[in-house]
Amino acid sequence: RKEVEQDPGPFNVPEGATVAFNCTYSNSASQSFFWYRQDCRKEPKLLMSVYSSGNEDGRFTAQLNRASQYISLLIRDSKLSDSATYLCVSSYNQGGKLIFGQGTELSVKP
Amino acid sequence: NAGVMQNPRHLVRRRGQEARLRCSPMKGHSHVYWYRQLPEEGLKFMVYLQKENIIDESGMPKERFSAEFPKEGPSILRIQQVVRGDSAAYFCASSTGQGFGPIIKQYFGPGTRLTVT
Repeated sequence: RKEVEQDPGPFNVPEGATVAFNCTYSNSASQSFFWYRQDCRKEPKLLMSVYSSGNEDGRFTAQLNRASQYISLLIRDSKLSDSATYLCVSSYNQGGKLIFGQGTELSVKP
Repeated sequence: NAGVMQNPRHLVRRRGQEARLRCSPMKGHSHVYWYRQLPEEGLKFMVYLQKENIIDESGMPKERFSAEFPKEGPSILRIQQVVRGDSAAYFCASSTGQGFGPIIKQYFGPGTRLTVT
């Protein structure tokens, strides 16, 4: 079983749609969580950290449920530029190695 | 550009040759991480280094791979006697360090695409 699991997609949505990605992690010792995006297998870019209380950054909202070991990312009002692969990431300690999910591919269509 | 720098961006090696990949961390960062992304696969951690010190090498293959981060100069990931299965994108990331408290973020370089022929 992978340590971080995501639905690979692809998710094909029209512009303006709301889309949600889910992710589960298997190791309860995980401390930090992030969402990265990766365009065409270029370098991953940090989208946002995920806090226990949930956090929002513009159109993006991240949630963490430690009891269920579940992380989510909600994208509202999807733009064409949101098309990318979204990577769910955990870490056992601050600044330690990152453990990546396989990624969820999103394609936003006009 | 104060971002993470990697070179070369593309590297072609024949089987049996050596590959050297270089990474300069972001300004102000003293911790470097190497990750590998095989074709059609996700990113996998390889090694975590601080200046002159390997912190975690749990993801490094047991043979042919080594990494260093000297006091002066970039971090080097070295692959000896490359094989076709080493063909991948190798990404370097950097951060300010590890510990508890505010979340410590890792920022990635553009990667080196290694092709073994």
